[in-house]
Amino acid sequence: GENVEQHPSTLSVQEGDSAVIKCTYSDSASNYFPWYKQELGKRPQLIIDIRSNVGEKKDQRIAVTLNKTAKHFSLHITETQPEDSAVYFCAASPTSGTYKYIFGTGTRLKVLA
Amino acid sequence: NAGVTQTPKFQVLKTGQSMTLQCAQDMNHEYMSWYRQDPGMGLRLIHYSVGAGITDQGEVPNGYNVSRSTTEDFPLRLLSAAPSQTSVYFCASSPSGNTEAFFGQGTRLTVV
Repeated sequence: GENVEQHPSTLSVQEGDSAVIKCTYSDSASNYFPWYKQELGKRPQLIIDIRSNVGEKKDQRIAVTLNKTAKHFSLHITETQPEDSAVYFCAASPTSGTYKYIFGTGTRLKVLA
Repeated sequence: NAGVTQTPKFQVLKTGQSMTLQCAQDMNHEYMSWYRQDPGMGLRLIHYSVGAGITDQGEVPNGYNVSRSTTEDFPLRLLSAAPSQTSVYFCASSPSGNTEAFFGQGTRLTVV
């Protein structure tokens, strides 16, 4: 079935450094790839997303890149700040068919001041 | 708009009991889904619905039932609670299956 793998499971960076989280997916019909941030005790919230007709998308300090041939996509956070500390989830969803919205297992990011 | 509302926020059940987790959205979204969140396992899809009257199984459907009689509501039923169902449950809705998902605040369920 559909599967989304996410690495690493934990990531510690110094404040001001960059952080990169990577995901791979198995369903070649997937064409929507969102990233969610979940702060402690809160609900997940969308921070950025990308569709398969786009290779890269940026929003201030965050960016997502997509390689459909290799079936992987990555989240890049530059100039990290303590408030970036959270759990980040990637997800993949197809345009049609089952519409299963499958999440990765999450990455706990710690930004050290 | 209230967004996605889940009730209750916390619940303790005894093994074998049944209960219904409620989920309601006021955004007229067609797509609704239920996830469970366990440490180290991310968000796993239990059941989802692409519209009123249509439901389908996700990754971990065993032990759970759903129905979708209206666009607004998508309750999740635990038929006979087991300790393995101790988890945080999130309901989510979106305009379609490949757009931003809006999550409820979650229900922390403990089965003893």
